[in-house]
Amino acid sequence: QQPVQSPQAVILREGEDAVINCSSSKALYSVHWYRQKHGEAPVFLMILLKGGEQKGHEKISASFNEKKQQSSLYLTASQLSYSGTYFCGTPNNAGNMLTFGGGTRLMVKP
Amino acid sequence: EAGVAQSPRYKIIEKRQSVAFWCNPISGHATLYWYQQILGQGPKLLIQFQNNGVVDDSQLPKDRFSAERLKGVDSTLKIQPAKLEDSAVYLCASSPWTSGGGEQFFGPGTRLTVL
Repeated sequence: QQPVQSPQAVILREGEDAVINCSSSKALYSVHWYRQKHGEAPVFLMILLKGGEQKGHEKISASFNEKKQQSSLYLTASQLSYSGTYFCGTPNNAGNMLTFGGGTRLMVKP
Repeated sequence: EAGVAQSPRYKIIEKRQSVAFWCNPISGHATLYWYQQILGQGPKLLIQFQNNGVVDDSQLPKDRFSAERLKGVDSTLKIQPAKLEDSAVYLCASSPWTSGGGEQFFGPGTRLTVL
């Protein structure tokens, strides 16, 4: 089943913060986050493997709440380069196939 | 290090025609994936290979789609015959992890338009 992402789209001014949520109707063991710029391939951001785990990449961090079956991506002091579509991916029970959410389109304006 | 290569980058065909896409993964990556990404949606996995064997093809429409990975390196995805709803970007990704749970490296994709 496809994870649900919210919001579907967000517009920010440079320097503002944003949160993107990813929730699943089934138990989660890990969550993957990717960013895709317009016309380009998705690029890996991070994987969260354990419940409660938080990871960061520059000013982008994420948390994983296993009990709530959800993950959140935090973008702090957004930069123009953060613009793109963010996808979360959740693996199947065997852990070998990713199902991606519908994506959250983020636009950062000067 | 060279990334995942795909060709062609763009393809326009008439419905009921055939088309093939090629992917060359990052050297040494055992796992290869083909995804279909329809405009405005997330990538949808079609098939996963580990070396030259199929791990999962449960979401591949086998009546018209086929894929192979010869010698565990390059891979081709074929559509025969194409339908209008096959218009999408076809992404190839590879990973060094055999479990499939690690980072995936995506190629630039092939944008297919079916008229």
